[in-house]
Amino acid sequence: EIVLTQSPATLSLSPGERATLSCRASQSVSSYLAWYQQKPGQAPRLLIYDASNRATGIPARFSGSGSGTDFTLTISSLEPEDFAVYYCQQRSNWPTFGQGTNLEIK
Amino acid sequence: EVQLLESGGGLVQPGGSLRLSCAASGFTVSNYGMSWVRQAPGKGPEWVSRISRSGGSKNYADSVKGRFTISRDNSKNTLYVQMNSLRAEDTAVYYCVKDLDGYSYVGDFWGQGSLVTVSS
Repeated sequence: EIVLTQSPATLSLSPGERATLSCRASQSVSSYLAWYQQKPGQAPRLLIYDASNRATGIPARFSGSGSGTDFTLTISSLEPEDFAVYYCQQRSNWPTFGQGTNLEIK
Repeated sequence: EVQLLESGGGLVQPGGSLRLSCAASGFTVSNYGMSWVRQAPGKGPEWVSRISRSGGSKNYADSVKGRFTISRDNSKNTLYVQMNSLRAEDTAVYYCVKDLDGYSYVGDFWGQGSLVTVSS
């Protein structure tokens, strides 16, 4: 099983700031990595797939980068609605998710 | 508009069975890979099972292999998962998930979820 480790566990920032979230895989997943956003009581929402492709309707302030074992989700300027939990997910092998990064308002 | 509506969740005793349904609208389930993904309280999601677009490939997480069976009814545009020999660790919200077109195991639409609680 490929283990995804997300850091930090919690990120406290203010609206307008830049957010950088990391995801490290226990072995190479090539570019088969996605990012999801989840708000309380809601299902996850696809943001980024295959490391750097924005899903339909996702604002340009969200971007993804990386390949192999190290990946980054960047939110260029935080909006109030961006505060949520973010998960990375690989599909190189049987799909697995990271444990999540809680992006909270500072 | 794409919609996925799960039903069939509830409280079941350990060792019991349950069948979840996912009624799709706005698209045809047989044109996409479809999955079940679960999320235990306070935990990250876990991919449980996927059925391919053709229906010829069905895959399962090791944690449910031999106990869960995924299927679909094209005439009803509905996805199912039959869950047998349920355990406490199967307690979770179960989401029905549609593949992004052309991308296996990338979930671009998720249902609202159905809660399954396994407890005596």
